[in-house]
Amino acid sequence: KAGVTQTPRYLIKTRGQQVTLSCSPISGHRSVSWYQQTPGQGLQFLFEYFSETQRNKGNFPGRFSGRQFSNSRSEMNVSTLELGDSALYLCASSLAGQVPSTDTQYFGPGTRLTVL
Amino acid sequence: AQSVAQPEDQVNVAEGNPLTVKCTYSVSGNPYLFWYVQYPNRGLQFLLKYITGDNLVKGSYGFEAEFNKSQTSFHLKKPSALVSDSALYFCAAEGNNRLAFGKGNQVVVIP
Repeated sequence: KAGVTQTPRYLIKTRGQQVTLSCSPISGHRSVSWYQQTPGQGLQFLFEYFSETQRNKGNFPGRFSGRQFSNSRSEMNVSTLELGDSALYLCASSLAGQVPSTDTQYFGPGTRLTVL
Repeated sequence: AQSVAQPEDQVNVAEGNPLTVKCTYSVSGNPYLFWYVQYPNRGLQFLLKYITGDNLVKGSYGFEAEFNKSQTSFHLKKPSALVSDSALYFCAAEGNNRLAFGKGNQVVVIP
C-alpha cells in the first residue's frame, strides 16, 4: 500500500499571501489530520476530517482552514501568511471510524513552508 | 485534555548499550499511547502503541515500551542501540482523534 503523500514538499511564500497544501491518505483511510511542527511549539494539532466533515479542531486562528473531498484527499489553506506560520505541516491518515480511536495515525513526509 | 511529558531534551547512549526514552502522561479515560520516530526532513514513523492488555508492547526495529499505570509512564526501550537509531522520538496520547505530543527527545547514539 502506498503511504500518505503530501504536495508540495517545499514552499516559499511572502507575508500576506495564501497557500494551499494537499494530502492524499492511505487507501481506505477516511480520517485525515493535520499538524504543525515548529522548533518552539513542537507538534500541534490543527484539525481532523472524517467523511468530508471537520470532526475536530485545534487552537489555531481562522486563517487556517481545511477541507476533505469525497475520495478522502484533504487540503489545508492558510490565508494572510505571517512569518510565524513557517513550519513543517504534517498530514496523517487513519481508519479512525470511532472516537476515541485506537487506530494508528500514519504520517506523510510533510510540507516545509517558509514565509519571508 | 491529554498531555504528555518527555522530561529529557537529549539522550546520549553508546552503541550497543540499552536505550531508554522516558514519557509520562496525563489523560482522562483510557490511555491510548503511541511512540513515533522522526528522521531529519522526514515525517513521523510509527513505532508502537499501547491500547490495552500486556504492559510490555513490542514494536518496529527492536523497540519496545513498558506501560506503567501507577506511575503514568510509557517509556520506550531498546536493548542494544544502533547508530542508525539516532533521531527524534515523540511520545503521544490519543484524545478525541487528536494526538497530543510530547516535545520530543533527541537520541544520539555514539559509535
